[in-house]
Amino acid sequence: DAKTTQPNSMESNEEEPVHLPCNHSTISGTDYIHWYRQLPSQGPEYVIHGLTSNVNNRMASLAIAEDRKSSTLILHRATLRDAAVYYCILRDGGSQGNLIFGKGTKLSVKP
Amino acid sequence: DTGVSQDPRHKITKRGQNVTFRCDPISEHNRLYWYRQTLGQGPEFLTYFQNEAQLEKSRLLSDRFSAERPKGSFSTLEIQRTEQGDSAMYLCASSLNAGRGAFFGQGTRLTVV
Repeated sequence: DAKTTQPNSMESNEEEPVHLPCNHSTISGTDYIHWYRQLPSQGPEYVIHGLTSNVNNRMASLAIAEDRKSSTLILHRATLRDAAVYYCILRDGGSQGNLIFGKGTKLSVKP
Repeated sequence: DTGVSQDPRHKITKRGQNVTFRCDPISEHNRLYWYRQTLGQGPEFLTYFQNEAQLEKSRLLSDRFSAERPKGSFSTLEIQRTEQGDSAMYLCASSLNAGRGAFFGQGTRLTVV
């Protein structure tokens, strides 16, 4: 699986938007971009995934660069419950690929 | 609750003992994954099943580890002759096919003393 690069940590203020970046310069044509988050003392939670087009769901939006070498997870209004480690993962949709986690970005949300 | 469930949630064992964990995936999910996570690290892939077939095993899965999914439903992960280095959170996840999101259980925290 191709690797991703994320900042180790980010801070945000409550009620403000948060943009979590991810670089994946070696992405291949069949790799999907997945985002998961892990709250303290819980298992990871699926957030969103996409291939080429931007994606929206009730939790977040995923903006994918035109060349697909980077993406941004957008939380439109951060809440204290959004404080978690966010993982950006590439997953080959064409093979039997599993999810390979990196260290992720630890997001802190200040009231 | 129709999510992924894992049992037990916590396990303390003495070094050298065998332990077995169980994972019940979301029904109709054909894929089941096992991960291990230590403090401050992201989850590390161990193995996964498609239905009852074990399709991939990580190099992390030494010969003391064995996983089964006998009828393509629940799965067990057994660790024989536990070592202190096996202390970690063991996570199970399931998904419907490869491209979909995976849903994780709460994990089993193993402490080897």
